[in-house]
Amino acid sequence: GESVGLHLPTLSVQEGDNSIINCAYSNSASDYFIWYKQESGKGPQFIIDIRSNMDKRQGQRVTVLLNKTVKHLSLQIAATQPGDSAVYFCAEKEGTYKYIFGTGTRLKVLA
Amino acid sequence: DARVTQTPRDKVTEMGQEVTMRCQPILGHNTVFWYRQTMMQGLELLAYFRNRAPLDDSGMPKDRFSAEMPDATLATLKIQPSEPRDSAVYFCASGLTDLGPQFFGPGTRLTVL
Repeated sequence: GESVGLHLPTLSVQEGDNSIINCAYSNSASDYFIWYKQESGKGPQFIIDIRSNMDKRQGQRVTVLLNKTVKHLSLQIAATQPGDSAVYFCAEKEGTYKYIFGTGTRLKVLA
Repeated sequence: DARVTQTPRDKVTEMGQEVTMRCQPILGHNTVFWYRQTMMQGLELLAYFRNRAPLDDSGMPKDRFSAEMPDATLATLKIQPSEPRDSAVYFCASGLTDLGPQFFGPGTRLTVL
């Protein structure tokens, strides 16, 4: 169930450390963004979303930052746990209902 | 805990056979999407429904794929005849409206031999 490609960028993080996963988006007019987590053999799971009128949004152990100037989105996971190991990808809304999905980053949590 | 459900979870079939995949969106959700995910292409939108009306099926091969919503609790994706290049994981997703997130089902892994 990987997001795309055979060679996803991989982020390896020690258990308990914070993780930062980055995403560059393409359309400066995009007004809504979502982060998904996809574990092997499962469907993408909604983590957190943010609208373009915000710079930051926090959830439980996760924070999404939006930098519209450089069209950059990041997902921060605090106190990373083994259960956080998965592929993470961002989705950029295009138009009314379509989304452009990022290529994905594989997060590996080291014990 | 409301979830999108999909059946079957795995399907192996031979080239030329008909394949039907089913999806039950989250109750009350008005938008339904079908996606195909492959290693090389990532997530591709196949079809989009709003209030059960098909609004976009431009991502589907028209001659072999069809998507319907017979009622609010069931969405179907059919492939007839199936081909090896259709092998992929097919996801259904639903959303309350176009303004919010989509929630994905567990997917149907299709293998066409």
